[in-house]
Amino acid sequence: DAGVTQSPTHLIKTRGQHVTLRCSPISGHKSVSWYQQVLGQGPQFIFQYYEKEERGRGNFPDRFSARQFPNYSSELNVNALLLGDSALYLCASSLAGGFDTQYFGPGTRLTVL
Amino acid sequence: EDQVTQSPEALRLQEGESSSLNCSYTVSGLRGLFWYRQDPGKGPEFLFTLYSAGEEKEKERLKATLTKKESFLHITAPKPEDSATYLCAVQAGGGSTLGRLYFGRGTQLTVWP
Repeated sequence: DAGVTQSPTHLIKTRGQHVTLRCSPISGHKSVSWYQQVLGQGPQFIFQYYEKEERGRGNFPDRFSARQFPNYSSELNVNALLLGDSALYLCASSLAGGFDTQYFGPGTRLTVL
Repeated sequence: EDQVTQSPEALRLQEGESSSLNCSYTVSGLRGLFWYRQDPGKGPEFLFTLYSAGEEKEKERLKATLTKKESFLHITAPKPEDSATYLCAVQAGGGSTLGRLYFGRGTQLTVWP
């Protein structure tokens, strides 16, 4: 079975631009969570979605937004990029988004110049 | 504030030299403690979930244990392919934090031949 997939793998943007990251969960999983991992740190929670509804939001500015589609895939959007947004963005898939185990994708490496 | 602390930050072992990694946590109402392995530039790979004090789980050379305040990841007779960063994460409480994982910074393990 396919695991969590994310696209693109790598992305280079300049300050002020907008970026969209995509994630497809494991088949049968209805919840997607997004995390940001800066080099040398553990992942930090950004959002969780379940059945297209936002279930939780971490301490990130309004420049960060996300949505989940009827097929349970998800997009993370970041506007007005800052240098500090450079990080590995991870998508995690779980059955129902409660206290289920979360399985991570390979991540998208975003570099902001 | 919920907090997860991992120690040591880095650990170098000779092949066959057993050791333990520590994860201490201060959260309100622990619902699950998770161990992940992360290779450089890749997404975290799920290893174990522990739910209650006294619980233990094993997989190959790895064994995870849980007490009321901390968890240990024991590595028995490690091999060079066990080299990676090991991340600990907890799920706690409910409401707006439902499903959110709080990560530690990880322990970078290097096993040399």
